[in-house]
Amino acid sequence: GAGVSQSPRYKVAKRGQDVALRCDPISGHVSLFWYQQALGQGPEFLTYFQNEAQLDKSGLPSDRFFAERPEGSVSTLKIQRTQQEDSAVYLCASSPGARTNEKLFFGSGTQLSVL
Amino acid sequence: DQQVKQNSPSLSVQEGRISILNCDYTNSMFDYFLWYKKYPAEGPTFLISISSIKDKNEDGRFTVFLNKSAKHLSLHIVPSQPGDSAVYFCAASVEFSGGYNKLIFGAGTRLAVHP
Repeated sequence: GAGVSQSPRYKVAKRGQDVALRCDPISGHVSLFWYQQALGQGPEFLTYFQNEAQLDKSGLPSDRFFAERPEGSVSTLKIQRTQQEDSAVYLCASSPGARTNEKLFFGSGTQLSVL
Repeated sequence: DQQVKQNSPSLSVQEGRISILNCDYTNSMFDYFLWYKKYPAEGPTFLISISSIKDKNEDGRFTVFLNKSAKHLSLHIVPSQPGDSAVYFCAASVEFSGGYNKLIFGAGTRLAVHP
């Protein structure tokens, strides 16, 4: 595809369920970011991959959050034992190189609602 | 600790007039600033950026001004058009020793351009 693709578009989970969110970055993009956007707020950094290496996971809120990008392309963000405070839009973004000074290309996000 | 602040949650402007969106930051290590535009149900899209060594960058109807001494930047849109109605995010880039940059976003300003 031409852009960053995320699935599912919407996810409703019962508290305590595990969820997996998928991101297909633009082909060949080296950098991949996950952001969390709460209602009325800006995107907040969760984690960063450079190819398959997870170089920064300082933004992950707890050890219930786990991300991977095993082959340096598709990435999955997994949230275990979801809580209501995990409800947010999860955005994936990619860029061609390691330097993101110019711009990131964002997907449309996955809106997660935890009931 | 919000390093990037957009103090105006919303702005309403008449079509044809100038829109001015403001952003303040606290970290003097930021080396690049970007503006993203977001329509409902879509991911943010890159609009315009400015390096910290410059004080102005212009692209068509969009101009970004940077005042480093005041740690303030602004986005000017002139003339404003109804299609400019969206949420605008200010973002700052900081370089990490691992060879990558990370974007830190403000909370956004919702711009409404009315006829």
